[in-house]
Amino acid sequence: GAGVSQSPSNKVTEKGKDVELRCDPISGHTALYWYRQSLGQGLEFLIYFQGNSAPDKSGLPSDRFSAERTGGSVSTLTIQRTQQEDSAVYLCASSLAAGLNSPLHFGNGTRLTVT
Amino acid sequence: AQTVTQSQPEMSVQEAETVTLSCTYDTSENNYYLFWYKQPPSRQMILVIRQEAYKQQNATENRFSVNFQKAAKSFSLKISDSQLGDTAMYFCAFMNDDKIIFGKGTRLHILP
Repeated sequence: GAGVSQSPSNKVTEKGKDVELRCDPISGHTALYWYRQSLGQGLEFLIYFQGNSAPDKSGLPSDRFSAERTGGSVSTLTIQRTQQEDSAVYLCASSLAAGLNSPLHFGNGTRLTVT
Repeated sequence: AQTVTQSQPEMSVQEAETVTLSCTYDTSENNYYLFWYKQPPSRQMILVIRQEAYKQQNATENRFSVNFQKAAKSFSLKISDSQLGDTAMYFCAFMNDDKIIFGKGTRLHILP
């Protein structure tokens, strides 16, 4: 596949449970970004990776949120003890490199619903 | 801190008309990039057009063009001969180094 792949596309979970969201970036893209899009809102920056390291974690809303990236490729966003306010679409994007006028290529997102 | 403002939450135009979406931003930087992304109901974010701040010439991509006013920190998107497939959320974005900031979006409806 040539694009950014996210799984699952939809996830319904009970409040208090942990969830893992996965992102497969475009091959060769070293930068990877996670955004959250709540209903009617813009894109809220969560975290970005350059390679396997995360220079900027400032957007993570709380310590229940964590992310990792291995092998400079796949990334996982984990939300522990989910709350109803975590319900949103989680978008992943990749680019050739951070900055350098590299446009973001987005996946289709994971719609998370916490009941 | 940089901010991006889209003052039109929602707009509707008739098919084949021209529509302009507004975007303003705030930054103290001199070198940066600006983008417009489109998000149709499929949720896929699609890059529509981009502009380098150091270029005075406005970017154009087929029916899409921008009016970039650096001094005014304005970056509006013009869609000519609008089509039903242009119905989507449109996001303006600012990039400097590794920071990419999005506006809250404008929901555009193209009416048949």
